[in-house]
Amino acid sequence: DVKVTQSSRYLVKRTGEKVFLECVQDMDHENMFWYRQDPGLGLRLIYFSYDVKMKEKGDIPEGYSVSREKKERFSLILESASTNQTSMYLCASSFLGSGQGDPSSYNEQFFGPGTRLTVL
Amino acid sequence: QKEVEQNSGPLSVPEGAIASLNCTYSDRGSQSFFWYRQYSGKSPELIMSIYSNGDKEDGRFTAQLNKASQYVSLLIRDSQPSDSATYLCAVNSGKLIFGQGTELSVKP
Repeated sequence: DVKVTQSSRYLVKRTGEKVFLECVQDMDHENMFWYRQDPGLGLRLIYFSYDVKMKEKGDIPEGYSVSREKKERFSLILESASTNQTSMYLCASSFLGSGQGDPSSYNEQFFGPGTRLTVL
Repeated sequence: QKEVEQNSGPLSVPEGAIASLNCTYSDRGSQSFFWYRQYSGKSPELIMSIYSNGDKEDGRFTAQLNKASQYVSLLIRDSQPSDSATYLCAVNSGKLIFGQGTELSVKP
């Protein structure tokens, strides 16, 4: 079974703090993703990575950075937490696809349990 | 225009009935389609993948894909209260795009 783990289920931080959210997968997946999920806004992609030390901005990268030093680990960093970053953060991973139109780019993503972050 | 659209619900069905969840998408080039189930306060769980036109069955779940109509659906037969959750449709259009989800409530 695919297993994606996240460092914390619940986290409370203060405005201005630097926050690290860690994600680890054990299926040798090339792709890893960070989303946030908010009521009424659905799942929004923050950053993703196709390989070690590689990162790509998603739809809402502002205020976030990421790090991927090892294939199995993908970290999300809030440089200076703000109250509008209070959210559920979800990490996901998948095998690498070869692009749109290729059946091998199935991109089945498997999610970790999520981290509920509250910024006060 | 949203790229993946779902009725938000809530969709309420009695126990034992068939629940029908629908999803439309805008990118005709999309090649793979997924249904996720998300219980309140939990993360999404992949329950079905479909890549070809037609039906794909897995236990009580059937996914249906019609690429010409840009439509994908999920049928849940013999619905159980434990099926009460939000169901997310996701479409691979070069990247995975999620719908907002449909809330399903199965009443005993």
